[in-house]
Amino acid sequence: GAGVSQTPSNKVTEKGKYVELRCDPISGHTALYWYRQSLGQGPEFLIYFQGTGAADDSGLPNDRFFAVRPEGSVSTLKIQRTERGDSAVYLCASSLFRNTEAFFGQGTRLTVV
Amino acid sequence: DAKTTQPNSMESNEEEPVHLPCNHSTISGTDYIHWYRQLPSQGPEYVIHGLTSNVNNRMASLAIAEDRKSSTLILHRATLRDAAVYYCILRDSGQGAQKLVFGQGTRLTINP
Repeated sequence: GAGVSQTPSNKVTEKGKYVELRCDPISGHTALYWYRQSLGQGPEFLIYFQGTGAADDSGLPNDRFFAVRPEGSVSTLKIQRTERGDSAVYLCASSLFRNTEAFFGQGTRLTVV
Repeated sequence: DAKTTQPNSMESNEEEPVHLPCNHSTISGTDYIHWYRQLPSQGPEYVIHGLTSNVNNRMASLAIAEDRKSSTLILHRATLRDAAVYYCILRDSGQGAQKLVFGQGTRLTINP
């Protein structure tokens, strides 16, 4: 596809479970970002990848959150021992280079019950 | 991260121009001013960005104050599809932070 693809679009999980959220960036984009957005708030930065490496993970709230991008394209955001407070829309974005226009996916709505 | 201040909400009528203000009094010399918007149930989308000079593209115009402490996003002829939350963001062009730091934005309502 032409845009950033995120799967699944919706995920409902029980408190304490492990979840993985996937992001397929636009082909050739070197930079990839994860954000999360709670209702009525602006997107909150989580982590930024340049290629395969996490260049800035200062937004990850705690060690239950982890993200990988092993081949410099697809990225997975992993959340362990989910809590109800993790419920939000998780957004992924990619850009051709680190300072160029960012393209966002539609997001994954995570609900922890 | 340098901060921006925007009104929480604005309202305008269809086919009229809309001026969305943003204050960024602590802007540094290497900060670009970016605007993104977020339509309901979608991810944010890029609108425009600039450094010092006014900028135009097919979506909007960006007017930047001479001292760069404020800017205005101009939608020349609003349509119902322009109803969205508009975010004004400062982004360092240097080797530093590459992330976009979103604030609360301005929720724009367009009346038919």
